[in-house]
Parts: sequence; C-alpha cells; structure tokens
Amino acid sequence: RKEVEQDPGPFNVPEGATVAFNCTYSNSASQSFFWYRQDCRKEPKLLMSVYSSGNEDGRFTAQLNRASQYISLLIRDSKLSDSATYLCVVNKPGAGSYQLTFGKGTKLSVIP
Amino acid sequence: ETGVTQSPTHLIKTRGQQVTLRCSSQSGHNTVSWYQQALGQGPQFIFQYYREEENGRGNFPPRFSGLQFPNYSSELNVNALELDDSALYLCASSVRGGSYGYTFGSGTRLTVV
Repeated sequence: RKEVEQDPGPFNVPEGATVAFNCTYSNSASQSFFWYRQDCRKEPKLLMSVYSSGNEDGRFTAQLNRASQYISLLIRDSKLSDSATYLCVVNKPGAGSYQLTFGKGTKLSVIP
Repeated sequence: ETGVTQSPTHLIKTRGQQVTLRCSSQSGHNTVSWYQQALGQGPQFIFQYYREEENGRGNFPPRFSGLQFPNYSSELNVNALELDDSALYLCASSVRGGSYGYTFGSGTRLTVV
C-alpha cells in the first residue's frame, strides 16, 4: 500500500462547480497534513494546512479524520485559475527528521 | 523575505557524468530537503539537512549525496548519472519539524541523455 493515496483523476469540471479531493495515508505516526497546489512545470506551493478541527480558507475547505487516516479538500465555486494538480502531503517523523510524503496528485481542469 | 532559489534551472548531462545542484534556503529557515519528481509523479524525498548534517534519507542510492553550509544553503550531488535520474529536482526549506509548511524552490530540470 502506498503511503499517501489520492483519487487518480483527472477531474474536469465546469466553472462554478464544487469539487472534492480525497486522500488516505498509511502511517499513523504522521503529524502534520497539507494540501499543495502544483501548476504545470512549476514547483509545489502550499495551499493550506489541514487540522483535525477542519479549516476553511475562502472557497477551500480541508478536513482531517485521524481515526480513518483520511484527508479531504473541497473547492467551491471553481474558477478557471483553480486548474492545477493538487497534492496531498503528510509530514511524518523519519529517522531524526521530518519528511514530506506526497501523493501522486490529482489533476483538476476547470472548463469555461 | 527571500524565497528559495535553485540553480541551474535546466541541465542536460550524459549518462555516467556527475552533477551538482544548488539551493539557497528561505531567510529564517534552517532545514533543507531535496526531492525528486519524475514526470507524472509526486515528489519523492531524497534527504534532509539540518545543522550541516544529513538528517534523514529516503530510498535513494549512495550516489545521491549532499551538503549543507553554515548559511543553510545546500548542494545535491549525483554521481554516475543514469537515464532514470531525469527529473525535476526540488529543494524545500523549512524550520526544523516543518509544522509550518515547507517552501519550495522552482526546481532544476535535469535531463540525462
């Protein structure tokens, strides 16, 4: 089983749609959780951290369920500029370090 | 606030050669991590440096090595390049522990021919 698994995608949605991304992680020692956004041929950029209580940033809502080892990202009222690959990321302690483990990413295309 | 800068941006090398990639961390960050991202995949952890020492390593062979300098900048060295080493190499800096997130550089795209 992969350490971080995401919906395979791609997701093609019309402008204004609501889209949800799902992610599961295998290591219960994982301590911090993030969603990153990566545009084509660019570096990943932090979209938002994910907290157990759930958190919202404008049109974006992230949820974490530690018991199920499940993370989600909801995007409401999709914009053309939301088109990108969304990476689910967990930060777990390794041997003396904290490593980011990435999912493969889910590509989102928002269509006019 | 200066972000993470990487050099060079693009590089073409021949199989068997050696390459050095460079990274300057974001101001205030003391930890540097390196990742390899193959086409269509998520980034894979190579190793991390803290206080000029390797502080964790992913599943990469010893021909991948690195350094961190007193100013927290870092180098990634790859010896005996193979075709499969062709990828985007990303450097990320953070405060140790990374709970506040990591800042990535724009990467070095390495092509091995």
